[in-house]
Amino acid sequence: NAGVTQTPKFQVLKTGQSMTLQCAQDMNHEYMSWYRQDPGMGLRLIHYSVGAGITDQGEVPNGYNVSRSTTEDFPLRLLSAAPSQTSVYFCASSPGTGGRGEKLFFGSGTQLSVL
Amino acid sequence: ILNVEQSPQSLHVQEGDSTNFTCSFPSSNFYALHWYRWETAKSPEALFVMTLNGDEKKKGRISATLNTKEGYSYLYIKGSQPEDSATYLCAPISGSARQLTFGSGTQLTVLP
Repeated sequence: NAGVTQTPKFQVLKTGQSMTLQCAQDMNHEYMSWYRQDPGMGLRLIHYSVGAGITDQGEVPNGYNVSRSTTEDFPLRLLSAAPSQTSVYFCASSPGTGGRGEKLFFGSGTQLSVL
Repeated sequence: ILNVEQSPQSLHVQEGDSTNFTCSFPSSNFYALHWYRWETAKSPEALFVMTLNGDEKKKGRISATLNTKEGYSYLYIKGSQPEDSATYLCAPISGSARQLTFGSGTQLTVLP
C-alpha cells in the first residue's frame, strides 16, 4: 500500500538554487495538490490539478511551478529558491476536489530549508 | 482568501476528560467540511467529511457535527486518551473558495 509517495524527506538549498519535489500516487486519483505548512498557519494550497494536463494556482503559487503529464505524478518545482520558501511541503491526492465527500490522502512531507 | 477560524488554538486536558473544538467558516455557497487529525512527525489523516447541514459523524470516541446555516462545526472527543494528542484541522469548501481551505488547527495535549 504505497498511497502517496513524496521525495525527498529533507532538503537544504542555497538561495537561487532550483529543485523539484516529487509526488506520486498509486490510487488512480484525479485530484492532486501541493500544500505548504508554516508555524502558526494552516496548510496553504500552492497548486492543484484535477487531472492529467490540467493544473491551476492555489492561494500561494508564486515561486512554484507544477505540471501533470500523468495521473500518477505531480512534481513541484522551485525555480529559484528563496528563504521565504523554507517550509514543510505536503502533497495530497483524492478521487475528487473534496466537495462531494472525497477525503485527501497526504504524503509524508518534505522539510525544505533555504539558506 | 477564505476566513476559517478554529478555537481554541491549543488545549491541555487530563486523561479521561471530554473536550470539544470549534471550526467557523463562511456559511454561503457551502459544499463540504473536512476534519483531519495530524500527529507530530506524521501526515494529516482524514477523520470526517461532512456535506449536509445537520450531519453528525462518529468514529470511536470522536464525533463531529455540522451547521452549514450558521457556518460552524464541532469536534468532540469523549474520554480523551494520551494517543488523542494531535493537531485537529478543519477545512471547508464554502464562500468564494472552490478548494479546501485549512484552518490553523487546534493542538490537543492529553496529559496522563
